[in-house]
Amino acid sequence: SQQGEEDPQALSIQEGENATMNCSYKTSINNLQWYRQNSGRGLVHLILIRSNEREKHSGRLRVTLDTSKKSSSLLITASRAADTASYFCATEGNSGYSTLTFGKGTMLLVSP
Amino acid sequence: NAGVTQTPKFQVLKTGQSMTLQCAQDMNHEYMSWYRQDPGMGLRLIHYSVGAGITDQGEVPNGYNVSRSTTEDFPLRLLSAAPSQTSVYFCASSRQGGMGGYTFGSGTRLTVV
Repeated sequence: SQQGEEDPQALSIQEGENATMNCSYKTSINNLQWYRQNSGRGLVHLILIRSNEREKHSGRLRVTLDTSKKSSSLLITASRAADTASYFCATEGNSGYSTLTFGKGTMLLVSP
Repeated sequence: NAGVTQTPKFQVLKTGQSMTLQCAQDMNHEYMSWYRQDPGMGLRLIHYSVGAGITDQGEVPNGYNVSRSTTEDFPLRLLSAAPSQTSVYFCASSRQGGMGGYTFGSGTRLTVV
């Protein structure tokens, strides 16, 4: 079963605008990760936030994590056309071996 | 480094045929996984391995077998292909604990007719 659920399913913005995607999950986690997938390609790891962290930055990316609400958000600032892709959150549980459970993704379209 | 290499990139099978999807990584990662991606479903875990000789089932293991005889290779076998196995298959690897994120291959697009 899917652990994460991204919201919205699709997002269309203009270049230069900020894009915010949200992810909710159901069970306790060790960490939460965000991935990008360009059409027809493999997934690329963007950023990882541990369960004891609340916010993390990487370049134009900002991720927040609220474990009490079991939710995370990914903010992409000053979007570019090259940011057009699908974005997935994935959670790693805190029991057993390390495996990722993915949400269904948000499709982001950035228009020039 | 090549990262994670998957072969073939595309494959068409007839119902009932068997085949092996290959996955190799050159990063000395302990953890390797196979996912399938279907439209609107995100990625679902098929099988995973935490080291050579150790494998376990994921969310959707039926119809698939894996083995891990070396750290580098993690092949996925379809025993008797069915149209429901039409999907895009991704192999991924990570260091033990996965804290550095996973590295994904470019995928194998499989069609079963």
